[in-house]
Amino acid sequence: DIAITQSPSSVAVSVGETVTLSCKSSQSLLYSENNKDYLGWYQQKPGQTPKPLIYWATNRHTGVPDRFTGSGSGTDFTLIISSVQAEDLADYYCEQYFVYPLTFGSGTKLEIK
Amino acid sequence: EVQLVESGGGLVKPGSSLKLSCVASGFTFSSYGMHWIRQAPKKGLEWIALIYYDSSNKYYADSVKGRFTISRDNSKNTLYLEMNSLRSEDTAMYYCAKGTGYTSYWGQGVMVTVSS
Repeated sequence: DIAITQSPSSVAVSVGETVTLSCKSSQSLLYSENNKDYLGWYQQKPGQTPKPLIYWATNRHTGVPDRFTGSGSGTDFTLIISSVQAEDLADYYCEQYFVYPLTFGSGTKLEIK
Repeated sequence: EVQLVESGGGLVKPGSSLKLSCVASGFTFSSYGMHWIRQAPKKGLEWIALIYYDSSNKYYADSVKGRFTISRDNSKNTLYLEMNSLRSEDTAMYYCAKGTGYTSYWGQGVMVTVSS
């Protein structure tokens, strides 16, 4: 199985700051045939259902604010949240869908100072 | 508007069975793969099963393989998860989600509690 490691486990930032969340895979998620990375990001606000944010490592789902940016390729990925808002308080998970079983990271808790 | 509505959860004893349903609307259900993903209380997300749009392929997490069965009825726009030999560690919120690889929409979830 592919292991997904997220760091940090939690981070606290002030409104308006930029935060970078890391996601590392135990093997490459890049499929050479289509040059796509099979990595997604999710946001789960307290008491809510997880919401898909990013797919193919860099593509925002419809309606996701452009302050959320996914980057990286292969085994190292990041989610950058620019100008953090109070409403961004949530747990953030990355997930690989390169091979079955699909696997999630353990998440990063974003707290607002 | 895409909607996924799960049902069938509840409190059951270890060793018993339960069947979850997920009714889909707002998209062509028969054209999309569907996942079940769960989240134990205060824990992270765990993918547990996927079924292709035409039921031609099904995949399971090792933790549920042989005990859980994913299925679908495209005529009813409904996804199912049949759960047998339930264990306390199966206690979780169960979500259905649209997609074959990445998911684009999730239901609100249904709670399953396995306890004596």
